[in-house]
Amino acid sequence: DQQVKQNSPSLSVQEGRISILNCDYTNSMFDYFLWYKKYPAEGPTFLISISSIKDKNEDGRFTVFLNKSAKHLSLHIVPSQPGDSAVYFCAASKIRGSTLGRLYFGRGTQLTVWP
Amino acid sequence: DAGVIQSPRHEVTEMGQEVTLRCKLISGHNSLFWYRQTMMRGLELLIYFNNNVPIDDSGMPEDRFSAKMPNASFSTLKIQPSEPRDSAVYFCASSRNQPQHFGDGTRLSIL
Repeated sequence: DQQVKQNSPSLSVQEGRISILNCDYTNSMFDYFLWYKKYPAEGPTFLISISSIKDKNEDGRFTVFLNKSAKHLSLHIVPSQPGDSAVYFCAASKIRGSTLGRLYFGRGTQLTVWP
Repeated sequence: DAGVIQSPRHEVTEMGQEVTLRCKLISGHNSLFWYRQTMMRGLELLIYFNNNVPIDDSGMPEDRFSAKMPNASFSTLKIQPSEPRDSAVYFCASSRNQPQHFGDGTRLSIL
């Protein structure tokens, strides 16, 4: 059973516009959320994270929003650039508890930013 | 600082052969994770270690798969005997708390 879901396998956005990638989760015990970016033939690289005590975290062009009541998070990229074209994975973790450190990943969303 | 280092980057071998994938953790990290990525199942966790001790191996598909941490900085994932359905990209990742840092993976093809 997929505890973290990314329902859009792909997203296409024009350069300079906003990219919004969405992620839903089912387990209310998750309290830490991460986004990873993956280029072809490379491993996923950490992008940004958010703790469940916050509803927003910003780092440059990247902002992650968390809506705990809806069990939903989103990643906003503004402005989008062609170099942002990659697969984006959403991941969740239970910081407290026996599965310390384990991440639960979504299936990923392929973002394409066109000029 | 060097990141997580995986070897080999590519492996092509015949069905029935033993395959050993290797992973060097980032210095100071104490958790090690092995993942497999396929089109059908996405990125799935196979096994993870904390302080060299296996914590959860429920993702290991069969007894043909085994993983070890002979020391705090190195891990191996072994498949014996290998089968065509084992073909995938295998990633390892290490961490000290969060986030996990991934290697660039081993692309494994079993003919």
